[in-house]
Order: sequence, then structure tokens, then C-alpha cells
Amino acid sequence: DAMVIQNPRYQVTQFGKPVTLSCSQTLNHNVMYWYQQKSSQAPKLLFHYYDKDFNNEADTPDNFQSRRPNTSFCFLDIRSPGLGDAAMYLCATSARRGSPNEQFFGPGTRLTVL
Amino acid sequence: DAKTTQPNSMESNEEEPVHLPCNHSTISGTDYIHWYRQLPSQGPEYVIHGLTSNVNNRMASLAIAEDRKSSTLILHRATLRDAAVYYCILRDVGDDKIIFGKGTRLHILP
Repeated sequence: DAMVIQNPRYQVTQFGKPVTLSCSQTLNHNVMYWYQQKSSQAPKLLFHYYDKDFNNEADTPDNFQSRRPNTSFCFLDIRSPGLGDAAMYLCATSARRGSPNEQFFGPGTRLTVL
Repeated sequence: DAKTTQPNSMESNEEEPVHLPCNHSTISGTDYIHWYRQLPSQGPEYVIHGLTSNVNNRMASLAIAEDRKSSTLILHRATLRDAAVYYCILRDVGDDKIIFGKGTRLHILP
């Protein structure tokens, strides 16, 4: 089945140690998104790509970076994780830009920072 | 971004219909109304969307008020698997993004 895959599902890192989360998709969608979801909160958009065009949200910390080397893969890099970065990180895709195009979400990676 | 208002939580009995309300009094003419839900420990999933007319799909129905200032997601026969947080979202036709509000946590009682 076509899908959005996130690996690993659980990631533990140490305070200040860089970490990379990965997302892949078999849907061949042009748009890819990264969201952060803290406990008991709604998902919050960090950034998204339309093809290779990167769109950063104004309030996304500089500590968060992203790479999209090809259509299928997208990475979230956290350069120096703090305790406040512990969260679920969700990847999503969409076939085309704009509404009402549906977003397809992966299962998420839960990041723990020790 | 236009805002939506939803109740924090709702309860319903299994096998009964559920009506989840959403207010969006500042909706613009080009805003689509989307609903997503998030089951426990999963990513959100699309439920339904509409612009002006009521919509039905295999998961749910969406009833949109004539003035578009409110809408209702209808689950026709709730099951335990429908227990989730339901998000009502407005997206302009040109908007790539979903901005999630707080949503409604739906509890289903067996």
C-alpha cells in the first residue's frame, strides 16, 4: 500500500546531541510537511516543501532544519535538542498545493531528550 | 488565518449518531472546511471536507450552515474505534498549510 513511513518510531537522544528523523513516501506527492506535536497539544507546522521549494514557518526555531534530497524522502534535523524539543514529530504529504488537497500523515516519531 | 471554535470534549454511546459542532464565524468565501481526526498514538487522518454544500463519504457526513458560519461533522453510528480528537480546520483554496486548533476529544461509551 502507498503510504508515509517514518523511522524510527521512537528516538532517544541526549541534550545537545544532534538528531535526524526521517520520512519517506511511496505516494509520489509533491508536498511534504513536518509537524511537531507536544503532549496534549495539537500538531504545529514547522515547515513544508513544495517539490524542492522550502517554506519555513516564522516561529520555527533555527535549531530545526530540513532536507529533501528527492521526492520520496524528507529529513528533520535538530541540531542541538533541548528538553523542550521532546515531542511527537509528524510527517505528512499532499499530492498538490492548496486546499482542498488532502494531507496524508505518517505514524510519527516520538522523540525523547535525556 | 480564520479561526474555528469547537467544544473541548464530547461523549457518545456506541452505535449512536454523533454530531460534532464547529463554529467559524469569520470564514471567507474561499475557505474550505476540513475535518481531520487523530486516533490515540497515530498521526491525524483526513475525514471529510466541504465548501458550501453538505457532503457525504464512507466515514462521515458534513453539514454546512447556509451562512457557512458553522458546520457539523456527523458520524452516523459511532464505534469504539471512533474515539479520537476531531479537528475542524479552515483552509483557503490557495493555502498549502493546515493550522490545527485544539479540536474536540470524542469519548465513546460502550
